[in-house]
Amino acid sequence: GAVVSQHPSWVICKSGTSVKIECRSLDFQATTMFWYRQFPKQSLMLMATSNEGSKATYEQGVEKDKFLINHASLTLSTLTVTSAHPEDSSFYICSARPGDEKLFFGSGTQLSVL
Amino acid sequence: EDKVVQSPLSLVVHEGDTVTLNCSYEVTNFRSLLWYKQEKKAPTFLFMLTSSGIEKKSGRLSSILDKKELSSILNITATQTGDSAIYLCAVEERTYKYIFGTGTRLKVLA
Repeated sequence: GAVVSQHPSWVICKSGTSVKIECRSLDFQATTMFWYRQFPKQSLMLMATSNEGSKATYEQGVEKDKFLINHASLTLSTLTVTSAHPEDSSFYICSARPGDEKLFFGSGTQLSVL
Repeated sequence: EDKVVQSPLSLVVHEGDTVTLNCSYEVTNFRSLLWYKQEKKAPTFLFMLTSSGIEKKSGRLSSILDKKELSSILNITATQTGDSAIYLCAVEERTYKYIFGTGTRLKVLA
């Protein structure tokens, strides 16, 4: 199957700093990538749809200035959590799909904000 | 509002038992229903269902979709400890967005 790589796997940062998470499609081009957030023992919540070459589409209730998404190439999308606070601590996971296939997921990033 | 609901939320069984996980949905523009298994990190794909009544099977796992009842079930027979995971049901809309259910946390005891 297709491979989606996500980096870093985990990050610990101080409150007020910004953290960037990268998501790469390794063996296919992805005009669209999806960013999810997962709290402990809960399901995946779609945060935003990342569109190559244009602005991301954010889900209701997700602050676009807080979670900056950039999709500058067909294989890379980045999520930057700006001025992170402890309540932003969560598991962030990206996904992409080759063509009309199912979604493939990155390995996720566990963010802990102290 | 579109939603996907799974039941039970959690389940504890013994090795060798058979389990049935349920997924029901209310989605305006249904395209497909998918099942994923999540152990520690990334969900891994199990099944994609688009047509009613056609069972998909992979080893001890099988799944079927009922579009009339807006639901799907995932069966696991002869469960093993390695089946312990969160099982996620997702419905894909025609806009290609996935809406995930609450998940069912399965624990299989030796």
